[in-house]
Order: sequence, then structure tokens, then C-alpha cells
Amino acid sequence: NAGVMQNPRHLVRRRGQEARLRCSPMKGHSHVYWYRQLPEEGLKFMVYLQKENIIDESGMPKERFSAEFPKEGPSILRIQQVVRGDSAAYFCATSGTGPLNEKLFFGSGTQLSVL
Amino acid sequence: GQQVMQIPQYQHVQEGEDFTTYCNSSTTLSNIQWYKQRPGGHPVFLIQLVKSGEVKKQKRLTFQFGEAKKNSSLHITATQTTDVGTYFCAGPLNTNAGKSTFGDGTTLTVKP
Repeated sequence: NAGVMQNPRHLVRRRGQEARLRCSPMKGHSHVYWYRQLPEEGLKFMVYLQKENIIDESGMPKERFSAEFPKEGPSILRIQQVVRGDSAAYFCATSGTGPLNEKLFFGSGTQLSVL
Repeated sequence: GQQVMQIPQYQHVQEGEDFTTYCNSSTTLSNIQWYKQRPGGHPVFLIQLVKSGEVKKQKRLTFQFGEAKKNSSLHITATQTTDVGTYFCAGPLNTNAGKSTFGDGTTLTVKP
């Protein structure tokens, strides 16, 4: 039973390019959360999605960032026109039946570096 | 706004010493979870506490949930070098969305 799969592990982009981060939940999990972590800082919530629906995007910057979780395929976190400040580790976490009492399973993260 | 606060931010101990990290919330939590992130790794679930005053143990780790369900602690007895990492508490403060809000973590270093 594969865990949460994130790819790529490392992503290098130049300023102005687009970054696409992918997250495949654990089998049977339909709740996906994206978090951003800067060096030596905590995990900052970005967005919470269920299949085909964005439930809570209160932590997502209003511009350039978007997320989706289509009926088929992985969840995608998309960052357009990246800037140096977007450099961070992006983790996705998934849970099973619901967010309130479910533990989160984290992927290994995508380290985004913007040159 | 609602948030979960964690102290201390950093803790350096000699191997064999005890370690405690504290988590505080301004509002009542339905439950609290603890995660550990090793250097360069991803957060890994340790435990969940649900009941007021609950105490759970995992070998040298003791987790407590306060009576008012607003605070929690993680205590490690006789630290080992394998305990190195950042310990996060997380509470679902927004019961509508249910998203877990993480504390900023306590980073533990252990000197052999």
C-alpha cells in the first residue's frame, strides 16, 4: 500500500516560469491538504480539497496560486510566474474519511527553488 | 486569529536529559495531534489526544491533553540522538473546514 506520493522531489524554476507540484493520495484517501514550509519554520496551511472540490483555500495567496483535485489523477498545486519568495518545501497530506479526527499522512514534499 | 502556539522554539539537550514541548491554543480544541519531522524529512504522525485530561505514552514519550482542552505537552524521558527533529502539535481549529492548524514546532537537538 503505497503512501502519499509527491513529485517531483526537487523542482528548479527561473523567475516567471510556472511550477506544477503533484500529489497522489494514499489509496482510499479523498481529502488532500497542501502546506508550505520555509526553512526552519512551521507548516503553513494553504488549501484543503476533496475530489473535484476546493473546501478551504483560506491559506492560499490570492494571485498566481491555484490547486485542483480532479476526479481522475493527482492533486495539482500550480504556481504561475514564480518569484524567489516562492522557494520553499511544499508538502501535501491526505486523510481518509474526514478532517476532524483523522491523522494526516504526509508525502515527502517538493522542494521548489526559484532562481 | 485562532492559532496554536508552541514553546520553546528550540531546545538543545545532552543525551540522557529530559525534554518537554508545550502547545497552547486560545480556543478549545476538539482534539490535538502530534507529529515529528526529522531533519530533511516530512512530518510523521505520532499520536492523537481527544479526551480532556488524557495522557498517553509511547515508550519514552508521554503526551498530555489539558483539562480545558486548550493545551497539550509532549515529554521525552532520557533523550537519545534518534529523538532529534522538530515536534509539531496540530489542532483542527476550524471545525467547519476541519483543517489542521500546526504550531511552529519545537526543534530538538541532542548532544551525544
